[in-house]
Amino acid sequence: EVQLLESGGGLVQPGGSLRLSCAASGFTFSSYAMSWVRQAPGKGLEWVSAISGSGGSTYYADSVKGRFTISRDNSKNTLYLQMNSLRAEDTAVYYCAKDHPPYCSGGSCFQGYFDYWGQGTLVTVSS
Amino acid sequence: IQLTQSPSFLSASVGDRVTITCRASQGISSYLAWYQQKPGKAPKLLIYAASTLQSGVPSRFSGSGSGTEFTLTISSLQPEDFATYYCQQLNSYPRTFGPGTKVDIK
Repeated sequence: EVQLLESGGGLVQPGGSLRLSCAASGFTFSSYAMSWVRQAPGKGLEWVSAISGSGGSTYYADSVKGRFTISRDNSKNTLYLQMNSLRAEDTAVYYCAKDHPPYCSGGSCFQGYFDYWGQGTLVTVSS
Repeated sequence: IQLTQSPSFLSASVGDRVTITCRASQGISSYLAWYQQKPGKAPKLLIYAASTLQSGVPSRFSGSGSGTEFTLTISSLQPEDFATYYCQQLNSYPRTFGPGTKVDIK
C-alpha cells in the first residue's frame, strides 16, 4: 500500500525557514517523480515544486522560485522541501504527491499528475 | 498556462447530470487531469489525459475535450460526489491547477 507521510510543518515567523519531509513507502520511490502542492486556508490548490525520480531535474512555481528548494534522498525514500524567506502568503497545508506512472497513447505521453497524496502538513507564517 | 473553471459554484440534486468546464489560456492538447477534493482531505485523481478514467473511479465520471476547452461530467450525481473539483494542466511547468468548482447540495 502506497503511503506518503508529511512532517515538519508548524508556526514560523516571516523571514524564517522550515524544512518539510515526506516519508514514502509501498512503491519504488526512486522510479517516480514527486511534487509538493499547497492549499492556503479556504483556497484552491497551488502546485509548488516537482523533482524527477533521480533528483536531477527540479521545477518550481514562480511564487517560490529562489526561496524554496526541493530535494530527495532515494536511500531513505524521503522527499524534502526547504523553505526559506517565508512570507505570510506561504501559509498553507502542504501536500506531497506521487506522480502517476506515465501513460502513453496515440503518440503522446502524459505525466505530472498525481495518483497518491499525503495527508498534508500545515505551515503557518505569522509573527 | 492559466486555467479557468466554470461555474465556480454549482448547486445540484442527487441524480442530476453535472458538467464542469475548464479552459486553458493556450492549447494543451489532451494534457489535462481532474481531481475531486472533500473538506479536510487530500485531492483524489479522477481523470487524466483529458478522458481516461483513473482505476477505481466510478464510470459516472467522464472527461472530454482537447486544446483549450475541457469538460468533466457526472452523469448522475451521488451523495458522495458533493465536493470541489479541480482541473490541472500537464502540458508544461508550472503544473497549474484551475481555481476549483464547488458542487453543493440543492
